[in-house]
Amino acid sequence: NAGVTQTPKFQVLKTGQSMTLQCAQDMNHEYMSWYRQDPGMGLRLIHYSVGAGITDQGEVPNGYNVSRSTTEDFPLRLLSAAPSQTSVYFCASGQRRGYEQYFGPGTRLTVT
Amino acid sequence: EDQVTQSPEALRLQEGESSSLNCSYTVSGLRGLFWYRQDPGKGPEFLFTLYSAGEEKEKERLKATLTKKESFLHITAPKPEDSATYLCAVQAITGGGNKLTFGTGTQLKVEL
Repeated sequence: NAGVTQTPKFQVLKTGQSMTLQCAQDMNHEYMSWYRQDPGMGLRLIHYSVGAGITDQGEVPNGYNVSRSTTEDFPLRLLSAAPSQTSVYFCASGQRRGYEQYFGPGTRLTVT
Repeated sequence: EDQVTQSPEALRLQEGESSSLNCSYTVSGLRGLFWYRQDPGKGPEFLFTLYSAGEEKEKERLKATLTKKESFLHITAPKPEDSATYLCAVQAITGGGNKLTFGTGTQLKVEL
């Protein structure tokens, strides 16, 4: 199993540009989440999904959209990038609530 | 609001010098407490899940314990390869999805 994969690994955007961060898992997990990690703040939840077709907002959802058309994929869209979205983004998946989650390798995003 | 505080922020040990990392938490009903290890430039790697006070889990040189207010990660006779940032996270009984609330981590450096 590849586990949780994320692409791209690095990305530089200009303010106002849009892009999609890709996340895929091959463990047939129902739960998938997106977190951002900023220095001194810990990981914070952006959006999550409890199954295909079901998504909801996390702690810091503004400026991001998600969709979940398949169990395997959970892309994160930045609609109009802002410097405040400069961060490292991690996708995670888990079998069920209360069980461990597995994280991808991350995408380092810089918005200039 | 769920909160996680980890101490110390950074810890430097000599090889073989045992120590403990602390994770204090407040949560409206604990579903689970999770420990992760994160190496520079990588995603968090799952270590342990603890569910109830008094529970202990062990893996190689690491042992995690849980009380009603805090968790400890004990490192016995550490080696340089144990150097990493150790993250603690909690999941509440209430709330949607698989949300984890993270602390900011303890950066551990083990020297020869």
